[in-house]
Amino acid sequence: GPKVLQIPSHQIIDMGQMVTLNCDPVSNHLYFYWYKQILGQQMEFLVNFYNGKVMEKSKLFKDQFSVERPDGSYFTLKIQPTALEDSAVYFCASSLVVETLYFGSGTRLTVL
Amino acid sequence: GDSVTQTKGPVTLSEGTSLTVNCSYETKQYPTLFWYVQYPGEGPQLLFKVPKANEKGSNRGFEATYDKGTTSFHLQKASVQESDSAVYYCVLGDRAGNTGKLIFGLGTTLQVQP
Repeated sequence: GPKVLQIPSHQIIDMGQMVTLNCDPVSNHLYFYWYKQILGQQMEFLVNFYNGKVMEKSKLFKDQFSVERPDGSYFTLKIQPTALEDSAVYFCASSLVVETLYFGSGTRLTVL
Repeated sequence: GDSVTQTKGPVTLSEGTSLTVNCSYETKQYPTLFWYVQYPGEGPQLLFKVPKANEKGSNRGFEATYDKGTTSFHLQKASVQESDSAVYYCVLGDRAGNTGKLIFGLGTTLQVQP
C-alpha cells in the first residue's frame, strides 16, 4: 500500500536546541498530520495541514512548534526550542480524503 | 471530551483460539469508528472503518460492529494466527468536523503463540 516515510527513526537532541522532523508523504495526498505518542500513553493528535495552511491544532501543539511543506516536498515539524517533555515518538500521516490516514513508522525524539 | 477505552493488554493467545478486544467510546458527535493495527517497527495502519451505526466492518478475518446503543465497537476474530501479533487500536474519527483528527485508545498488545 501507500507508504509514508519518516527519516531518521531516532533523533537525540539537547534541550533548548532546534529539531526538524521530516516526513515524505504519499505523493498525491492532500492532507498532512502529526501525532505524538509518549511511551505508555495514547497517540494524540497535534496538527493537520491542508493547502499550505494549518487547519486545526491541539493544545499539545505549543507555540514552539511549527509545520510547513515548502514547494510540495517534505512535510516538516519544527520544535524550537525543545524541552524535556517533547521526548516522544512523532508519527506523520497523510491522506487523500480526511478519513483514511496513512501513517509513517515514526521518529523517536529523545531530548536530553 | 471524546474518548476511547479498550481492553488493557497484553493479551496472549494460542494459535487457533478466538480473540475479543473490547472497545467503548464517548462522544456527542456522530463519529466514524476505526480499528488500526501496528506491527513492530511500523506505524499504525487501517484495519477497517465503519462510518455508520449498526453496521459491521471486517478485514483479514477481523470484524467489529458499530453499536450506538451500547457505544461499543468490539474487535473479534474467530481464529488468530501468529502473524496477528501486533498492537490494536480502537479509534474514533471526527466525521462531523471533517478534519481527520483521530482519537486513539491506548492500544491492546496481542501476542499469539504457535
